[in-house]
Amino acid sequence: QSVLTQPPSASGTPGQRVTISCSGSSSNIAYNFVYWYQQLPGSAPKLLIYRNSQRPSGVPDRISGSKSGTSASLAISGLRSEDEANYYCAAWDDSLNLYVFGPGTEVTVL
Amino acid sequence: QVQLVQSGAEVKKPGASVKVSCEASGYTFTDYYLHWVRQAPGQGLEWMGWINPNLGITNYAQKFQGRVTMTRDTSMKTAFMALNRLTSDDTATYFCARERSPSEFWSGYPEAFDIWGQGTSVTVSS
Repeated sequence: QSVLTQPPSASGTPGQRVTISCSGSSSNIAYNFVYWYQQLPGSAPKLLIYRNSQRPSGVPDRISGSKSGTSASLAISGLRSEDEANYYCAAWDDSLNLYVFGPGTEVTVL
Repeated sequence: QVQLVQSGAEVKKPGASVKVSCEASGYTFTDYYLHWVRQAPGQGLEWMGWINPNLGITNYAQKFQGRVTMTRDTSMKTAFMALNRLTSDDTATYFCARERSPSEFWSGYPEAFDIWGQGTSVTVSS
């Protein structure tokens, strides 16, 4: 049972916008930063968003992150076939003293 | 380029130990915390702990305390993760990952992992 909650799947057609939610609590998301990772099948995760909404260099601006209260979300605009992957949110949990990941959301491009 | 290269796949029997290495290149090894994250087959990501490569200080997730040891060899620019008393539940791919911000800006807890090793598969089977 993950401390962070994500929908197991999301989908869209090419060019559409997909949003993935990540729900937490007062011990993690509410007072700490949220991070998002993309994992393609058979590959290591890749950092997409840090500190709620910051993009590392090389991540396109059609990828965006936001946070409000105990929830965060990742938005992918202009969906492309190469966006098919698993997406994980993460945050530090003050109560557990643990860096926690969400269970992941599998994005499918229809 | 900046990269982390891990050691090869391992097959171990229950009760045995495994030691995975993670060699850094393209940056100053001692300037960034390193983390270990594992992923069981078909499952999500699980953080195991970190090491400060400069000082050798470690912090482990409670779940792994007493069973995991993270070390480093600065001359080899290599970090190691050893896990003992293996069970089938330890079958997973183990990743090392670099903390995005340099150690001098360490906030006191893990933040973003920007460089990842390719992963090392560890299979525990009798």
